[in-house]
Amino acid sequence: KQEVTQIPAALSVPEGENLVLNCSFTDSAIYNLQWFRQDPGKGLTSLLLIQSSQREQTSGRLNASLDKSSGRSTLYIAASQPGDSATYLCAASGTYKYIFGTGTRLKVLA
Amino acid sequence: GAVVSQHPSRVICKSGTSVKIECRSLDFQATTMFWYRQFPKKSLMLMATSNEGSKATYEQGVEKDKFLINHASLTLSTLTVTSAHPEDSSFYICSASSLLGLNQETQYFGPGTRLLVL
Repeated sequence: KQEVTQIPAALSVPEGENLVLNCSFTDSAIYNLQWFRQDPGKGLTSLLLIQSSQREQTSGRLNASLDKSSGRSTLYIAASQPGDSATYLCAASGTYKYIFGTGTRLKVLA
Repeated sequence: GAVVSQHPSRVICKSGTSVKIECRSLDFQATTMFWYRQFPKKSLMLMATSNEGSKATYEQGVEKDKFLINHASLTLSTLTVTSAHPEDSSFYICSASSLLGLNQETQYFGPGTRLLVL
C-alpha cells in the first residue's frame, strides 16, 4: 500500500530564501509524481508533474526532482516570495489512483 | 485545456437533508472521475472512483449508501451526500482523467465544494 509523507509539516522563512520541500513514497511503482499548491479554503493548483521516466521538471522559480529508486521527490522554490505562502501537496500516481502526501504549510515572511 | 468545474462551490444545509455536488469536465471527455474528501488541515483522501456508465468503486471505510456517486456521462459526475450530518461537513474535491488522451494517468482537479451541515 502506497504511503506518501512530506517533511517538514510546516515551514516559515523570510522572503528571498531558497527552500526545499520533501516528499517520500513507499512504493516506487508510480506512473507520475505531481506537486500541487493549495491556498486556504481553495482547491488544488497543479504546479509540476514528473512522469516516471523523467528526473525533473522546471517552471519559473520552481524545480521538482524525482528519484524513484529512493522513493523521493523534492520541490525547490527559488527566491521565495510572500505570495508563495500556501500548503504544498505532493501526490504519487499509480494504477489510476493518486495518493496524496500530508502537505507542507509554507509561510514566507515579508 | 483540461478544466474541471464543481457546483456548488459552497453549500450549507440542515442535518438530515441530502446534498448533491456536481463535477463537470468542460473541455474533455472524462472516462474516470474521482471524489476526494479533505478535513481541515489534512490531506486529500480518496473516497471513490467512478467510470462512465458503471458503478463507482468505493475506498475502504466509505459508506456507499451514504455517498451516492453517479457518472452518467463523459462530462458529468455527481456526489450525493444522503441524510447529511454535521460530521459530513468537509471539503469535497473531484478530479477527472481520460483514457482517450495521452496523459491517461493525469488527474485534473476541480475547485472543490465546501459543505457545512448544521
